[in-house]
Amino acid sequence: AQRVTQPEKLLSVFKGAPVELKCNYSYSGSPELFWYVQYSRQRLQLLLRHISRESIKGFTADLNKGETSFHLKKPFAQEEDSAMYYCALSDNTDKLIFGTGTRLQVFP
Amino acid sequence: NAGVMQNPRHLVRRRGQEARLRCSPMKGHSHVYWYRQLPEEGLKFMVYLQKENIIDESGMPKERFSAEFPKEGPSILRIQQVVRGDSAAYFCASSPGTGDYGYTFGSGTRLTVV
Repeated sequence: AQRVTQPEKLLSVFKGAPVELKCNYSYSGSPELFWYVQYSRQRLQLLLRHISRESIKGFTADLNKGETSFHLKKPFAQEEDSAMYYCALSDNTDKLIFGTGTRLQVFP
Repeated sequence: NAGVMQNPRHLVRRRGQEARLRCSPMKGHSHVYWYRQLPEEGLKFMVYLQKENIIDESGMPKERFSAEFPKEGPSILRIQQVVRGDSAAYFCASSPGTGDYGYTFGSGTRLTVV
């Protein structure tokens, strides 16, 4: 069965520290993977997708098929990065399968 | 462009009543998706609709839940005879079409059943 696992409910770091939000997936085919972010009092929005291999707001994520992971990384966290982060997988239909989310808190 | 509009933002219903949640997609988007988020859980897919068609309802509970996206007007998620377990945040997203996963999400409707 397709599944997305985000093992950490909460990740707390100080400003300037590196950040890694973990995401593992279970899928038998070739997945498409995404990271969505929800800032306080705002709606969920797309942060990045693996297929475009881009860096958004300093965040990157590399698809590791061997480890079935798609961890989100940023070398130097900023306070404005504090938000809920959701990893999602597309099974090549039109629906997304979401993980339970990780709350990132960046302290000054 | 107002984005995806969901209303109401908060809805309180007594057990046994009906709940109607509305979603107006972004201008130019013809695909609508409904997701439910229970406390402490991720967003769970419920249903995918295009105008006047249900494309995938594999995530919809078999009873009491229905969805529509008429030719005119918003998409409606309807829950009949609500129970406490229906209390959740219900999110709608829209996209321009198949293969584009740039979903735009609404702010959600938080349903509380008392």
